[in-house]
Amino acid sequence: GNSVTQMEGPVTLSEEAFLTINCTYTATGYPSLFWYVQYPGEGLQLLLKATKADDKGSNKGFEATYRKETTSFHLEKGSVQVSDSAVYFCALTRGGATNKLIFGTGTLLAVQP
Amino acid sequence: EAGVAQSPRYKIIEKRQSVAFWCNPISGHATLYWYQQILGQGPKLLIQFQNNGVVDDSQLPKDRFSAERLKGVDSTLKIQPAKLEDSAVYLCASSPRGGEKLFFGSGTQLSVL
Repeated sequence: GNSVTQMEGPVTLSEEAFLTINCTYTATGYPSLFWYVQYPGEGLQLLLKATKADDKGSNKGFEATYRKETTSFHLEKGSVQVSDSAVYFCALTRGGATNKLIFGTGTLLAVQP
Repeated sequence: EAGVAQSPRYKIIEKRQSVAFWCNPISGHATLYWYQQILGQGPKLLIQFQNNGVVDDSQLPKDRFSAERLKGVDSTLKIQPAKLEDSAVYLCASSPRGGEKLFFGSGTQLSVL
């Protein structure tokens, strides 16, 4: 079946450090891939997405590239800030009638000043 | 624009009691989702509505969970009777006509004692 696997957290970094959160997926065909972010006390919100192979999604300094050959969609940011502290969820959807989002387990990022 | 509204924010009940959660989606959004997020796991889709019809309820434990979306606007999710394993955050989300970008509410945190 369709699934998403994320690196386990928590990930603890100092401000201005480089961030990578790994995400790999299993799906038939060509899923769309997403990163959602959940800041403390808030709802999940879409961070970025990519809908086909080699697409790069970007937002707020974060980037992720859809790699079909490695079935990966790793999240990166060159210089993290304290305000980036949150839980990050990788997700996919296979489209179709329901367009159901399937989430990974989430990775907690804690950025220290 | 107003976001997805959910209530209550927190709920504590004893096992075998019943509980109901309410969700008001973003105005004009045809698709409404209920997700269950157990601590340490990613959100799992319970039920998806398109207007007031059910599109996907394959992971809804129908012996104890029920949901309705009258008039295709707000929705109620009910659990009766609750079990200890139902302790989770219940997230409501909406999107325009099943679009790939979901807008999430802040969730209802349920504790079953």
